Amino acid sequence: DVKVTQSSRYLVKRTGEKVFLECVQDMDHENMFWYRQDPGLGLRLIYFSYDVKMKEKGDIPEGYSVSREKKERFSLILESASTNQTSMYLCASSSDTNTEAFFGQGTRLTVV
Amino acid sequence: SQQGEEDPQALSIQEGENATMNCSYKTSINNLQWYRQNSGRGLVHLILIRSNEREKHSGRLRVTLDTSKKSSSLLITASRAADTASYFCATKSNYQLIWGAGTKLIIKP
Repeated sequence: DVKVTQSSRYLVKRTGEKVFLECVQDMDHENMFWYRQDPGLGLRLIYFSYDVKMKEKGDIPEGYSVSREKKERFSLILESASTNQTSMYLCASSSDTNTEAFFGQGTRLTVV
Repeated sequence: SQQGEEDPQALSIQEGENATMNCSYKTSINNLQWYRQNSGRGLVHLILIRSNEREKHSGRLRVTLDTSKKSSSLLITASRAADTASYFCATKSNYQLIWGAGTKLIIKP
C-alpha cells in the first residue's frame, strides 16, 4: 500500500513564526504536491514537484516555499506565518501525470 | 484555478437509496478522477475515467463522462452510512489536478 505521511495532524503556531510541514512517501513517486483546503474552496495547489530539486508554483504560492532534497520528502515552508494561512494542508504524490494521487492524512494548521 | 464544479453542494438521502453527484469542467482533459474525503481527513481515490471512456464501474460506483458537455456524474448505489463523506472531482490537465469544491453527502440511517 502506498503511504503518504505528514509529520503532524494538528499544529498551532504564532504569527511571524517559520513553519515547516513535512511529507514523506514510500512508493518512489516522482510527483509530489502541496495543497491547502478551505471550506467552500476545494483544494488549491500551492506548489508541486516532478523531480528531486525541481519545483513549480501552483495557484497560490505567495507566502510559501518548498524543498525537495530527496525523492521521498517534500517540505512546505511558511516563511512568516500569518493568520490567513490557517487552513488544512494536504500533501499528495503520484507516480506519473496520468494516474491517481495518494494523499496524506492532512495537517490542520492554526496560526494565532 | 478551480475547474471542476460539483453539483449539488450538499445531498442528504436515506440509507439504501442511490446518490448521484455531478461535476462540470471547463477545458479539455486527460482524465477525470473522483475522490472521497471523510471528515477532517485526507482524500482517497475512488475511480479514474480517461477522456476516451464514457462509463466506468467499480463496485457500487458508476462514473460517466460526457466530454461534449464537459461533465461527469458519480452514482453510488445502495448507499450505506459509511458513504457519508465529501466527494470531489478532479480533472487532469498537464501536470496538475484541478479540483472542484466538493459535494457533501450525508446518509441518514
